Amino acid sequence: GNSVTQMEGPVTLSEEAFLTINCTYTATGYPSLFWYVQYPGEGLQLLLKATKADDKGSNKGFEATYRKETTSFHLEKGSVQVSDSAVYFCALSDLHQGAQKLVFGQGTRLTINP
Amino acid sequence: NAGVTQTPKFRILKIGQSMTLQCTQDMNHNYMYWYRQDPGMGLKLIYYSVGAGITDKGEVPNGYNVSRSTTEDFPLRLELAAPSQTSVYFCASNLPTGGASGKLFFGSGTQLSVL
Repeated sequence: GNSVTQMEGPVTLSEEAFLTINCTYTATGYPSLFWYVQYPGEGLQLLLKATKADDKGSNKGFEATYRKETTSFHLEKGSVQVSDSAVYFCALSDLHQGAQKLVFGQGTRLTINP
Repeated sequence: NAGVTQTPKFRILKIGQSMTLQCTQDMNHNYMYWYRQDPGMGLKLIYYSVGAGITDKGEVPNGYNVSRSTTEDFPLRLELAAPSQTSVYFCASNLPTGGASGKLFFGSGTQLSVL
């Protein structure tokens, strides 16, 4: 079945550092790929997405490129801020009758120190 | 605009008790979902619904029941609570876009402990 594997956390960085969170997937066909973010005490929010190979999703300074050849969707940001501290989830879509049955990775907790 | 609302936010149950987690959305979304999030793990799909009167099992449905009598509401029922059901439960919804837009709207979660 479909699955998503993320780099293990937690990840701790200083403000303005470069961020990479690795994500690889196993899937039949060509799923859409997503990054969701969960801030403390809140539900998940869509951060960015890519729907086909070589697509780049971007939002709030974060980027991720859909790499079919390496089955990867790594999240990057050039200069992180304290406000980026959160848990980040990589996910792929498994559509059924139009329903978006997302398959999530285990999440990576990111802490940014001032 | 309330979005997806879950109640209660926290609950402690004894083994064998039952309870219903409530979820309601005011966005007229056809699709609704229940996920559980165990510590250090990703979310796993329990049940989902593509519209009123239609529900289907997800990855981890055992020990749970759902119903969808209206577009707005999608309650999750635990009949005989077990310690393995200690988790954070998230309800989510989205529109039938016909494509893989992926933008689910999540509630803020219900933290459930079964002791």
